[in-house]
Amino acid sequence: RKEVEQDPGPFNVPEGATVAFNCTYSNSASQSFFWYRQDCRKEPKLLMSVYSSGNEDGRFTAQLNRASQYISLLIRDSKLSDSATYLCVVGGYSTLTFGKGTMLLVSP
Amino acid sequence: NAGVTQTPKFRILKIGQSMTLQCTQDMNHNYMYWYRQDPGMGLKLIYYSVGAGITDKGEVPNGYNVSRSTTEDFPLRLELAAPSQTSVYFCATRPTTTWRAGEAFFGQGTRLTVV
Repeated sequence: RKEVEQDPGPFNVPEGATVAFNCTYSNSASQSFFWYRQDCRKEPKLLMSVYSSGNEDGRFTAQLNRASQYISLLIRDSKLSDSATYLCVVGGYSTLTFGKGTMLLVSP
Repeated sequence: NAGVTQTPKFRILKIGQSMTLQCTQDMNHNYMYWYRQDPGMGLKLIYYSVGAGITDKGEVPNGYNVSRSTTEDFPLRLELAAPSQTSVYFCATRPTTTWRAGEAFFGQGTRLTVV
């Protein structure tokens, strides 16, 4: 089983749609969880941290289920500018492990 | 603050040549990382460092070396470049506290082509 698994997509959605990404991780000792966004040929940038209680940042909601080792990201009211690759990231104390990413394409 | 600075941004190497990718941070973070990202693939950890004088291998260390003589600098050395090392290289830093490590901050990347 890969350490961090994501559906590579692409997810093609119209503007205004709601889209959800899922991620599973294999190391039950993982301590920290993040979603990063990566635009084409650019460096990854933090979108949001993910907490066990779930957290929301504007149109973005992240959930963590430690028992199932599952992380999700929900994007509401998609914008054209949301088109990017979304990376699920899981951290131990020393290292971070990245999923391969899920590509999102938002069309007019 | 500049954050994490990588140089050069682009480089073409011939097979067998060597080079050093530079990474400098002004964020006073202890943890630093080197990742490579091949087209359409995720980031793979090459080497990391938890502080000055301490380095450790990641998932794909072969063909690379690192050093960490200061908190600020974490250069990545490629010896005897091979076409398989054609990739985008990202340096990242991460703040730590006594109880958890935070999110990573990335440099803009170095695009390396070996021909």
